[in-house]
Amino acid sequence: DADVTQTPRNRITKTGKRIMLECSQTKGHDRMYWYRQDPGLGLRLIYYSFDVKDINKGEISDGYSVSRQAQAKFSLSLESAIPNQTALYFCATSDPGGSGGSGETQYFGPGTRLLVL
Amino acid sequence: AQSVTQPDIHITVSEGASLELRCNYSYGATPYLFWYVQSPGQGLQLLLKYFSGDTLVQGIKGFEAEFKRSQSSFNLRKPSVHWSDAAEYFCAVVPMIYNQGGKLIFGQGTELSVKP
Repeated sequence: DADVTQTPRNRITKTGKRIMLECSQTKGHDRMYWYRQDPGLGLRLIYYSFDVKDINKGEISDGYSVSRQAQAKFSLSLESAIPNQTALYFCATSDPGGSGGSGETQYFGPGTRLLVL
Repeated sequence: AQSVTQPDIHITVSEGASLELRCNYSYGATPYLFWYVQSPGQGLQLLLKYFSGDTLVQGIKGFEAEFKRSQSSFNLRKPSVHWSDAAEYFCAVVPMIYNQGGKLIFGQGTELSVKP
């Protein structure tokens, strides 16, 4: 089984709809992240969480919200989807307990492809 | 501005030829450095990473990368490319200016095509 799973894998929605993307991990990592990928822009950080009680905005958090329901679950919500939120969304995890830079190594889920019409 | 740059958007090489993908960063202190690969329709897989020590690091799938402090570069290399290496490659850094860490900054990506 995959260590980091994302549901759904593909989603089509309409402008103005609220949608939720879910991420679950079995790696036991405290840190979780949400990124979006756009062609030519690489991946950009939306939100990150260092533990269940810690939520932080990333580079492009406007229009998004998150919920850390448990150590293993981190959800991303689009309150009112708009077409320019069409992108590939990735969840990632890392373990701050790693020595040196090992704690900075992030492990990615398979991604959710979102299309907003 | 602080950034990670991959100058080549798209590279095409022949199968069996050598490969070098470029990555430059513009952070003052040496960051933690990573290369990830994304195969079509897949997530990101870690190829290799550099934190400290030997500046030539070996990764999976026959890839290696060399950290050059004087050039602020971390170029990815492979001596002989296989058709299955066709994918998009991302360089990423964690700038050490952030005490909490965790802020992985990505380059724009380089798409690799392999000719038979």
